[in-house]
Amino acid sequence: GAGVSQTPSNKVTEKGKYVELRCDPISGHTALYWYRQSLGQGPEFLIYFQGTGAADDSGLPNDRFFAVRPEGSVSTLKIQRTERGDSAVYLCASSFTGGWDNEQFFGPGTRLTVL
Amino acid sequence: GEDVEQSLFLSVREGDSSVINCTYTDSSSTYLYWYKQEPGAGLQLLTYIFSNMDMKQDQRLTVLLNKKDKHLSLRIADTQTGDSAIYFCAEIFAGNMLTFGGGTRLMVKP
Repeated sequence: GAGVSQTPSNKVTEKGKYVELRCDPISGHTALYWYRQSLGQGPEFLIYFQGTGAADDSGLPNDRFFAVRPEGSVSTLKIQRTERGDSAVYLCASSFTGGWDNEQFFGPGTRLTVL
Repeated sequence: GEDVEQSLFLSVREGDSSVINCTYTDSSSTYLYWYKQEPGAGLQLLTYIFSNMDMKQDQRLTVLLNKKDKHLSLRIADTQTGDSAIYFCAEIFAGNMLTFGGGTRLMVKP
């Protein structure tokens, strides 16, 4: 497809379980971002990749959260020992090269519900 | 907490103008953005303004920036029911991450 895609669109899990969320960026985009949007709030930055490396992971809330982008394209956000407070929409975005003058294109998000 | 603040809700009649306001805290922001979010859809970039500009107009959209007061506004002329959505302002200043406000829900009544 032409845009950023995310799978699954919805994920329901139980407290304590492990989940993986996938993002397929726009082809050719070297920069990839993960944001988290809690109900009634704006998106909050989690992590930014430039190519294969995490250039800025300052937004990850704790060590239960981890993200990879092994080949510089698809990225996976991994959450261990999920908690109810992790319930949110996880948004992925990509941009051509990164930087403030490059538009970030957002995917539709994955809605994570932790019971 | 967020460094970018917006009012929660705005209701207007179809055909009227809508003005959505935003205040931000970092004077070194380089770009400021307005995004639109509709139910079930991703965030859509509507427009942006570079920090050395005071105003930008794009068809029905007018962005005003007051750097002294750190105030940003989005005016939508001739508001239509299809404009009903949540609008987020966002800033970028260091690195590459966007910092979003909490969003303003715009309701357009026919």
